[in-house]
Amino acid sequence: EAQVTQNPRYLITVTGKKLTVTCSQNMNHEYMSWYRQDPGLGLRQIYYSMNVEVTDKGDVPEGYKVSRKEKRNFPLILESPSPNQTSLYFCASSPTAAYEQYFGPGTRLTVT
Amino acid sequence: ILNVEQSPQSLHVQEGDSTNFTCSFPSSNFYALHWYRWETAKSPEALFVMTLNGDEKKKGRISATLNTKEGYSYLYIKGSQPEDSATYLCASLSGGYNKLIFGAGTRLAVHP
Repeated sequence: EAQVTQNPRYLITVTGKKLTVTCSQNMNHEYMSWYRQDPGLGLRQIYYSMNVEVTDKGDVPEGYKVSRKEKRNFPLILESPSPNQTSLYFCASSPTAAYEQYFGPGTRLTVT
Repeated sequence: ILNVEQSPQSLHVQEGDSTNFTCSFPSSNFYALHWYRWETAKSPEALFVMTLNGDEKKKGRISATLNTKEGYSYLYIKGSQPEDSATYLCASLSGGYNKLIFGAGTRLAVHP
């Protein structure tokens, strides 16, 4: 089954404790991206990747890191999480940015 | 940063009503316009990707039009059903960029 998976789905953590949210797709897509969703603000792009080893900042990259060592995986790293990073996070993939995005199930992160 | 605006912010209609909402986006350097349907507790799912001025797309009772010269797209739902209740998101992609900019969405509630 074609899908995008994210783990964990829910996470409660404390300020400053490094965490990684994994994202994996099995559709051989070149384009992958991370979004955060906050009430009233819609989806805001954090980082995107056009292919292996090619990543670029979205609109809200501060406090986040990504890597794309393999085509299928695009982890999101929070080196020192802060409460303002409490949000719902989505990973998405597609052949290119111009094609429809396939979204993962979402990760709800709470930073206390 | 591109600004993608959606209106109205929310909409309540009765079952059987037809409805429409608007997505406005910067028309300069336009490349593609995406529409997504996002049900509560699920992930966004693609409805349409449109690229050509004057383009019209249809999927069942839902259709969309695109005007790239004036920078707007309309989404129409004919004969709304309670299962159409969701948030409808649009996203714009500009040529030369790989960033998808999302609007804040229109939340539709269809009452039986």
